[in-house]
Amino acid sequence: AQSVTQLGSHVSVSEGALVLLRCNYSSSVPPYLFWYVQYPNQGLQLLLKYTTGATLVKGINGFEAEFKKSETSFHLTKPSAHMSDAAEYFCAVRFPGKASGSARQLTFGSGTQLTVLP
Amino acid sequence: NAGVTQTPKFQVLKTGQSMTLQCAQDMNHNSMYWYRQDPGMGLRLIYYSASEGTTDKGEVPNGYNVSRLNKREFSLRLESAAPSQTSVYFCATSGQTYGYTFGSGTRLTVV
Repeated sequence: AQSVTQLGSHVSVSEGALVLLRCNYSSSVPPYLFWYVQYPNQGLQLLLKYTTGATLVKGINGFEAEFKKSETSFHLTKPSAHMSDAAEYFCAVRFPGKASGSARQLTFGSGTQLTVLP
Repeated sequence: NAGVTQTPKFQVLKTGQSMTLQCAQDMNHNSMYWYRQDPGMGLRLIYYSASEGTTDKGEVPNGYNVSRLNKREFSLRLESAAPSQTSVYFCATSGQTYGYTFGSGTRLTVV
């Protein structure tokens, strides 16, 4: 079955430290991959996406992610955490399917709450 | 500002009451979605509409109905609310660039 797994429901880092949020998916065909961020009491905002082309994708707020087909992973990183990065982060996958609205469905991971310590 | 508008933002219902969550978009997108968000479970798809006049069930459709009124509007109805439907509900749209645009959510409590 196609699924999305985010390892670690809670991650804490010190301000200025590396942020690494993990996402793995299960699919025999490479999907489209997304990272979203959700600040308290708000909707989800797109951070970055991978569809085709370069496997290292840069997004907003200094985040980037690398698609690794052999590892079926799309981990999110940021070299230096800032207090304003504290939020919940969701990995989402659009699995290959029919060319219809159903194929545009996103499957979300369970989320990772990032805490940034002063 | 272009985007997705959801109403209401907050709602408290008694068990058995009905209500409709409204969603409107001005992005000219064909596809619209309703998700629910519960702690530790991410977002789960309730219903979606690939285009005006079509709707399909998602992962968790039981207890809900939807209407795609026109290209802009996609409503979600709870006919007889249950405590298990306490959640945060998000409407989203997608166009040709694969990403979703989300509304700010409706926080529903069923007591």
